[in-house]
Amino acid sequence: EIVMTQSPATLSVSPGERATLSCKASQSVGSFLAWYQQKPGQAPRLLIYDASTRATGVPARFSGSGSGTEFTLTISSLQSEDFAVYYCQHYKNWPPYTFGQGTKLEIK
Amino acid sequence: EVQLVESGGGLVQPGGSMRLSCAASGFTFSSYWMHWVRQAPGKGLVWVSRINNDGDYTTYADSVKGRFTISRDNAKNTLYLQMNSLRAEDTAVYYCARPRNGDYDYWGQGTLVTVSS
Repeated sequence: EIVMTQSPATLSVSPGERATLSCKASQSVGSFLAWYQQKPGQAPRLLIYDASTRATGVPARFSGSGSGTEFTLTISSLQSEDFAVYYCQHYKNWPPYTFGQGTKLEIK
Repeated sequence: EVQLVESGGGLVQPGGSMRLSCAASGFTFSSYWMHWVRQAPGKGLVWVSRINNDGDYTTYADSVKGRFTISRDNAKNTLYLQMNSLRAEDTAVYYCARPRNGDYDYWGQGTLVTVSS
């Protein structure tokens, strides 16, 4: 099973600043990597798939990069609605498609 | 508009059973595999089970194998998860999710299952 490790566990950033979240895979997942945003009491929302493609309706301030074992989600200018927990997930091979443990993005 | 609406959660005693449902609309349900993903309180996301579009192929996480059964009724556009021999560690919000490629582009709102005496 591929293990996904996200860092940091918590990231404190001021509104308007840039946030950079990291996700590392225990073995190569190619570009089969997705990012999700989850707000309290809500279901996860797909932000990025195939490592760098924004899902429908996702603002351009969200961008994904990386391949192989190292990936980054960047939020270029944080808005108040962006403070949430972010998860990465690989879908390289089955079983199963595992998630990272999450990064909580909080207001500084 | 794609919608997934779970129901059936609640409080159940250890060793008990519960059946979750997920009503799908806004897409051709019978064309998609479907998955269940759960999230224990304050924890991360964990895949539970999947079923192919015809309903004749299923897989399970080791933690639920032999206790949970996933099924679907394509005529009713509904996905199910029958959960037996429930344990405290099964306490979680259960989401049904539609896979896009391997990622999930649509999720239900989730239903909370609490296993406690």
